[in-house]
Amino acid sequence: NAGVTQTPKFQVLKTGQSMTLQCAQDMNHNSMYWYRQDPGMGLRLIYYSASEGTTDKGEVPNGYNVSRLNKREFSLRLESAAPSQTSVYFCASSQRPHSSTDTQYFGPGTRLTVL
Amino acid sequence: EDKVVQSPLSLVVHEGDTVTLNCSYEVTNFRSLLWYKQEKKAPTFLFMLTSSGIEKKSGRLSSILDKKELFSILNITATQTGDSAVYLCAVFRATTDSWGKLQFGAGTQVVVTP
Repeated sequence: NAGVTQTPKFQVLKTGQSMTLQCAQDMNHNSMYWYRQDPGMGLRLIYYSASEGTTDKGEVPNGYNVSRLNKREFSLRLESAAPSQTSVYFCASSQRPHSSTDTQYFGPGTRLTVL
Repeated sequence: EDKVVQSPLSLVVHEGDTVTLNCSYEVTNFRSLLWYKQEKKAPTFLFMLTSSGIEKKSGRLSSILDKKELFSILNITATQTGDSAVYLCAVFRATTDSWGKLQFGAGTQVVVTP
């Protein structure tokens, strides 16, 4: 039982390049999330998927797109990377959406640098 | 504006010391407060608190919530080098569109020296 897995672990891009971050969970969770973590700012929600087939914007969605490919997988795409997107990206999942008593489980993160 | 503020931002202690971390919040539609431990990689869940004054314990870690004064503390007793990590506080709030979301503080970095 791997929990939440993310690929790649590290990535360096040039400004304007595109890439997709992959996330998968094997806990049969309904909801999945993408966060970014920047120094001094904590984790901020980019996009989330309350259930398979739905996606919605979080706090900082600009410059990103997402795809909930199936119940297990939730990808984050940067169409034209910018230096401001240099960050550590975390994927998370939870059993139920919109639940104040449900724990989110996090993946190991992807460290992205945009030059 | 909703906010979650953790203090101190960082601290260094010796093995065996007791550490107290603070998390204060001002959010609308508060539902619960969570503590996570982050050791270089994924945040891992520690506690979820929904009621005031009820202490939650797990080994040497404990936490309590005060919903009147809008804060929580996380205590670590008899610290070990393995407790070195960033400790994140997050508040779950319900939003007007029925979506609930976690709002995170910036974290407290704890370094435990031998």
